[in-house]
Amino acid sequence: KQEVTQIPAALSVPEGENLVLNCSFTDSAIYNLQWFRQDPGKGLTSLLLIQSSQREQTSGRLNASLDKSSGRSTLYIAASQPGDSATYLCAEHSGGGADGLTFGKGTHLIIQP
Amino acid sequence: NAGVTQTPKFQVLKTGQSMTLQCAQDMNHEYMSWYRQDPGMGLRLIHYSVGAGITDQGEVPNGYNVSRSTTEDFPLRLLSAAPSQTSVYFCASSGVAGLEQFFGPGTRLTVL
Repeated sequence: KQEVTQIPAALSVPEGENLVLNCSFTDSAIYNLQWFRQDPGKGLTSLLLIQSSQREQTSGRLNASLDKSSGRSTLYIAASQPGDSATYLCAEHSGGGADGLTFGKGTHLIIQP
Repeated sequence: NAGVTQTPKFQVLKTGQSMTLQCAQDMNHEYMSWYRQDPGMGLRLIHYSVGAGITDQGEVPNGYNVSRSTTEDFPLRLLSAAPSQTSVYFCASSGVAGLEQFFGPGTRLTVL
């Protein structure tokens, strides 16, 4: 059974700081990896998808990297804002993607104004 | 596009009752799936479908049934609700298996 781990479980930083969220996975045959944002009581919003053949993806202030050899992905958030406060989830597709996503338990991020 | 929609948003059931959670998408996606989210457990896959008429089990399928008669709809049926099925249920879809997945807003279910 594949496992996805996210560290830290919670993080609080002052507004304006750059920060990195970590995700590690055990599947050496990862198909792709997806980062999500979840606000309290809401659904999941897709942030970035990294294919197994890619090393990174960028969207605005977000940059996600993928290192298959070490089983790690990072989500970099530049110039953090209070509106970035949410839980961030990473999830990996394996088995060609048909077997669905295996999720980490998330990092709860608080950006202090 | 409405994206992925789920109804109801909230539901309270008594043990032994049955119900159907509805999920629909208007993006002509072939792949649809159901997850449950529990505190401390994260999201876990219940069932998935790679296209109309094809379904398969995920990690936690017991107590749930699915069918996929159309591309747009993927209902999840609870046959005889149990307190252990108290959870938040999310439906997701993607163009085909393995592509970016889009999630619905969720259904919060409480079984008494």
